[in-house]
Amino acid sequence: DAKTTQPNSMESNEEEPVHLPCNHSTISGTDYIHWYRQLPSQGPEYVIHGLTSNVNNRMASLAIAEDRKSSTLILHRATLRDAAVYYCILRLSGNTPLVFGKGTRLSVIA
Amino acid sequence: EPEVTQTPSHQVTQMGQEVILRCVPISNHLYFYWYRQILGQKVEFLVSFYNNEISEKSEIFDDQFSVERPDGSNFTLKIRSTKLEDSAMYFCASSEAPSTNEKLFFGSGTQLSVL
Repeated sequence: DAKTTQPNSMESNEEEPVHLPCNHSTISGTDYIHWYRQLPSQGPEYVIHGLTSNVNNRMASLAIAEDRKSSTLILHRATLRDAAVYYCILRLSGNTPLVFGKGTRLSVIA
Repeated sequence: EPEVTQTPSHQVTQMGQEVILRCVPISNHLYFYWYRQILGQKVEFLVSFYNNEISEKSEIFDDQFSVERPDGSNFTLKIRSTKLEDSAMYFCASSEAPSTNEKLFFGSGTQLSVL
């Protein structure tokens, strides 16, 4: 499985932007980059995904490096409700399951 | 927004007993999954199910586990003879199609405690 590397934890002040990095140097051309998050005591929740181009949705933005070996999830204004574990996952080609790593635990300080 | 629902939210059982965890996936979804998360650990893939058969399963999903779609709406995970180490949060998920471009929708989980 192609692997991702994320910092174990990050901290942000409320209402400031947060940039969550992810390295995936062994990504192949057809692998999608997915981001999920898990709020305390809840199931994982889809955030965003992309292949090559940057993506925006109501929750976040995904910036993908030109060589696709890294990506950054951007929360434009962190709120206390964004405190969660954020997972960067490569969805491999074919019907392969979503495989979760340890993710980045984001703490948001009021 | 449509959601995946799981019942019960908590299940307590004695070691060696059979348990059935239930899930109602989103109605137009065709691909179903079970994951589990032991306290303080990663979310682990157990099994995926499509077109009334298992598509993939992990090493965790041994003969003690089985899945079934008994009717048009439910998707169940059965553990035949529970062990202490089966204590975990079990998450059901579904997606519209089995594609790398599809997103998964997860339920809020069933906390299984084996005593």
